[in-house]
Amino acid sequence: QKEVEQDPGPLSVPEGAIVSLNCTYSNSAFQYFMWYRQYSRKGPELLMYTYSSGNKEDGRFTAQVDKSSKYISLFIRDSQPSDSATYLCAMSASGGSNYKLTFGKGTLLTVNP
Amino acid sequence: DAGITQSPRHKVTETGTPVTLRCHQTENHRYMYWYRQDPGHGLRLIHYSYGVKDTDKGEVSDGYSVSRSKTEDFLLTLESATSSQTSVYFCAIAGGKYNEQFFGPGTRLTVL
Repeated sequence: QKEVEQDPGPLSVPEGAIVSLNCTYSNSAFQYFMWYRQYSRKGPELLMYTYSSGNKEDGRFTAQVDKSSKYISLFIRDSQPSDSATYLCAMSASGGSNYKLTFGKGTLLTVNP
Repeated sequence: DAGITQSPRHKVTETGTPVTLRCHQTENHRYMYWYRQDPGHGLRLIHYSYGVKDTDKGEVSDGYSVSRSKTEDFLLTLESATSSQTSVYFCAIAGGKYNEQFFGPGTRLTVL
């Protein structure tokens, strides 16, 4: 079993839809959870960062962590064509240095006008 | 890109030649990382650095070496490039309240 599983998609939605992106993981030591957005031929851009379980909201984006189920989600409300990108989940067991991130392979999202 | 630059941005080279990629940061962050990104594999850590002259291996370090003689520069060297090292290489730095990782724009390397 891979440490982090992420459905590669592709996922295609109409503009204005609510998008749900998910990752599951097997390592119960993971405590820090991140979502990155990567546009084509660009570097990953940090979107959300959460520690332990719970929800975190930032504008149209909400990150959820359920450690009991080893499941994390990213919700995008009122999706826009500019949200079209690959979304990568990442997680880490260590704190301060955060030196070892384990990434999902990414989900390709297209938001159609 | 959080004060991170990578050079060159594109490179085509031949099998067996040495290649050095440079990552430069202006944030004065302690931690720097090299990743490669390949279809079907996602992002994989090659090497990382936790200070000047302090480096360690990641999960795919074979065939790669690194050096960090200054806080702002982290070099990745392919001693003898192979076609399997054709990839997109990303540098990242860690900083902020939780030492979140921020990525550079990437270097697209093709080994013929």
